[in-house]
Amino acid sequence: NAGVMQNPRHLVRRRGQEARLRCSPMKGHSHVYWYRQLPEEGLKFMVYLQKENIIDESGMPKERFSAEFPKEGPSILRIQQVVRGDSAAYFCASSPRDIDYEQYFGPGTRLTVT
Amino acid sequence: QKEVEQNSGPLSVPEGAIASLNCTYSDRGSQSFFWYRQYSGKSPELIMSIYSNGDKEDGRFTAQLNKASQYVSLLIRDSQPSDSATYLCAVTGSQGNLIFGKGTKLSVKP
Repeated sequence: NAGVMQNPRHLVRRRGQEARLRCSPMKGHSHVYWYRQLPEEGLKFMVYLQKENIIDESGMPKERFSAEFPKEGPSILRIQQVVRGDSAAYFCASSPRDIDYEQYFGPGTRLTVT
Repeated sequence: QKEVEQNSGPLSVPEGAIASLNCTYSDRGSQSFFWYRQYSGKSPELIMSIYSNGDKEDGRFTAQLNKASQYVSLLIRDSQPSDSATYLCAVTGSQGNLIFGKGTKLSVKP
């Protein structure tokens, strides 16, 4: 049973470009969470999605960031007009149920903005 | 604002000893608690979940929960150098997202 998959694993973007990060949850999991880990800082929640629905985006910056989880295909975290402060590791986690259940993390995408 | 606090360490223990990692949380209504292990440059790996007061054992790992004191701990028995990592304590937020502490760095010396 494949785990959570994320791609790309490493992404380099110049300031002002767009970054698209993809996440395929574990088989049977319909709940997807995105987290960001800045260098030397803790993991911070960004957004929680189910198929075709954003459930909670309270942790996501209001501008330049968006997320989706379409009916078919992976969840996508999109960052427009990237800035150096966006450089971080972005992790996706999935769960078969909602509140209070275990979440399993993908390998992450390490974004570097030059 | 819900918070999770951990001692950042580093916590250094000799091989074969018991490592004790501690965590406190601010929201008395929290119901679910998790310990993740994160090796440098890698993603968090779930090692324990605990939902009820008391102890939960899994191999060399024991999680302890005391909701009255808002305290969660992780004991690692017979510590091995391969246990050297950062251990993250997490509790669930109101919508199911995880709220993480900053982690405790554990170093097990051979």
